[in-house]
Amino acid sequence: AQSVAQPEDQVNVAEGNPLTVKCTYSVSGNPYLFWYVQYPNRGLQFLLKYITGDNLVKGSYGFEAEFNKSQTSFHLKKPSALVSDSALYFCAVSHTGFQKLVFGTGTRLLVSP
Amino acid sequence: DTAVSQTPKYLVTQMGNDKSIKCEQNLGHDTMYWYKQDSKKFLKIMFSYNNKELIINETVPNRFSPKSPDKAHLNLHINSLELGDSAVYFCASSPGQGAREQYFGPGTRLTVT
Repeated sequence: AQSVAQPEDQVNVAEGNPLTVKCTYSVSGNPYLFWYVQYPNRGLQFLLKYITGDNLVKGSYGFEAEFNKSQTSFHLKKPSALVSDSALYFCAVSHTGFQKLVFGTGTRLLVSP
Repeated sequence: DTAVSQTPKYLVTQMGNDKSIKCEQNLGHDTMYWYKQDSKKFLKIMFSYNNKELIINETVPNRFSPKSPDKAHLNLHINSLELGDSAVYFCASSPGQGAREQYFGPGTRLTVT
């Protein structure tokens, strides 16, 4: 069965500093990996995905993620955090022939001014 | 124009009642989903429809019944509401399954008293 782990409930970072939100996955076959962001009282918004190809994926709002097959990880990164990046971030996984996304438990990102 | 819309946004009702949540998407997508997000923000899929056919039916009580009158609509009817049904319910759609990003509605906060 496929699963996603987000080991940090919360990540705190100062504005202007780089940020990383961690995600590891377990799946049989080739993974499809996603990051979503949820702002308070809103639905989830798609940030980026990895299907195949380049291990570094660029997405919305300056975010990027690096796929590492040997470490089964897909960490979300941004070179310079903004206060407006403060939100709940979800990693999700699917795979070939599998029809649903499995979400991680979410990581709350708090960017302080 | 709102891509994925849900009504109502808030729903407060008593135990034992029956209620419905409606979802509409104007993106032309083939696949629609219902998710439940609990108080700890854990997100779990409940149902998925592709071209009006049920393709995912997770371990959800029979009191929950989805209905898809056409590709653009996926409604959720809940019978005999229980306290544990209190959650935020999200509708989502995607232009396919598996590797496709999903677009989420704003959510319906259901409170059962």
